[in-house]
Amino acid sequence: KQEVTQIPAALSVPEGENLVLNCSFTDSAIYNLQWFRQDPGKGLTSLLLIQSSQREQTSGRLNASLDKSSGRSTLYIAASQPGDSATYLCAVNGGATNKLIFGTGTLLAVQP
Amino acid sequence: KAGVTQTPRYLIKTRGQQVTLSCSPISGHRSVSWYQQTPGQGLQFLFEYFSETQRNKGNFPGRFSGRQFSNSRSEMNVSTLELGDSALYLCASGQPRSDTQYFGPGTRLTVL
Repeated sequence: KQEVTQIPAALSVPEGENLVLNCSFTDSAIYNLQWFRQDPGKGLTSLLLIQSSQREQTSGRLNASLDKSSGRSTLYIAASQPGDSATYLCAVNGGATNKLIFGTGTLLAVQP
Repeated sequence: KAGVTQTPRYLIKTRGQQVTLSCSPISGHRSVSWYQQTPGQGLQFLFEYFSETQRNKGNFPGRFSGRQFSNSRSEMNVSTLELGDSALYLCASGQPRSDTQYFGPGTRLTVL
């Protein structure tokens, strides 16, 4: 059974810092991995998607990497801003259907 | 394109009642998935519909059911509500084995 873990559970950093969020999964047989952002009480916003054959994806200040063999993904946020404050979730798709298995999330607070 | 829409956004019900939530996917998307989000259990997959057929089902009791219409709009129903059903219910749309899934804003259900 696929299990997804995110470390740390919470993170507080001063504005301008570069930071790394971690995501681990137990079954390496994934189709893709997606990173989401969730603001309090809101839905999920897709940030980056990495196919199982890819090693990384970039969008603006965000860079996500994937190491399938070790069951790990990282989300790198450069030059953090207060507007980046949110919960960040990773989710894996096993591929047979569109079912996503989510991690527990990392609550990020960027202090001005 | 318009995003995923969910109605209603907020609901308050009492134990024993039933509730129906609605989700309209992004135009052209044929797959709709439903998730329950609670502070204790995080995001959990409920079910996925594609072309009016349930493709996958999560580990929830039979009180949770859904359906999809020919225009891809989907509804989920929860009968005999329990206090523990209080949650944010999110739907996501995509294509089959979609590269990216797009989430709606959610329906916040409170059971008193």
